[in-house]
Amino acid sequence: NAGVTQTPKFQVLKTGQSMTLQCAQDMNHNSMYWYRQDPGMGLRLIYYSASEGTTDKGEVPNGYNVSRLNKREFSLRLESAAPSQTSVYFCASSEQGEGRQPQHFGDGTRLSIL
Amino acid sequence: AQSVSQHNHHVILSEAASLELGCNYSYGGTVNLFWYVQYPGQHLQLLLKYFSGDPLVKGIKGFEAEFIKSKFSFNLRKPSVQWSDTAEYFCAVTAGFQKLVFGTGTRLLVSP
Repeated sequence: NAGVTQTPKFQVLKTGQSMTLQCAQDMNHNSMYWYRQDPGMGLRLIYYSASEGTTDKGEVPNGYNVSRLNKREFSLRLESAAPSQTSVYFCASSEQGEGRQPQHFGDGTRLSIL
Repeated sequence: AQSVSQHNHHVILSEAASLELGCNYSYGGTVNLFWYVQYPGQHLQLLLKYFSGDPLVKGIKGFEAEFIKSKFSFNLRKPSVQWSDTAEYFCAVTAGFQKLVFGTGTRLLVSP
């Protein structure tokens, strides 16, 4: 049972380059999320998708776009990467977006912007 | 907006010592509380959760947490830590239909 799968695991980009981080879940969950994790700041929500066909901004959406391709897949795009976007990115999913549902996390993508 | 505070950023313990990690949240209404753990190089995993009922909840691997409403706290405890408990621990809160808000995390190092 794969759970939440993220690709790639590591990536180095130059400032200004674009990139899409991929996320897929096989648990038939309705809600999916993208977080970034920075030292001393915990996890911060970038975007989320409460259900297929909907997306909403989280706490730190600037510089990112998302696509909920279907129920399984939720991608995060950096159109013009900046050094401030160097971080570890986690995708997560839950059965519903309602607060009692625990989230299941992927292994993360470590992204460095030079 | 709700917020979560974890005051201990780094904790170092010897094996068999007792552990208590603090978590305080700011929200006056009904909350859902979680503790997640992230082992080195791994993704976050759910340790335990509290929604209602008995304020003392037990999770996996011998962890437990106590919800004290009057103190807006949800501290994590373990009577005797092991080297394998070395990890980063995150407290997280949702209130109503607000999204999950994480604390900044506590790095625990257990020395053998």
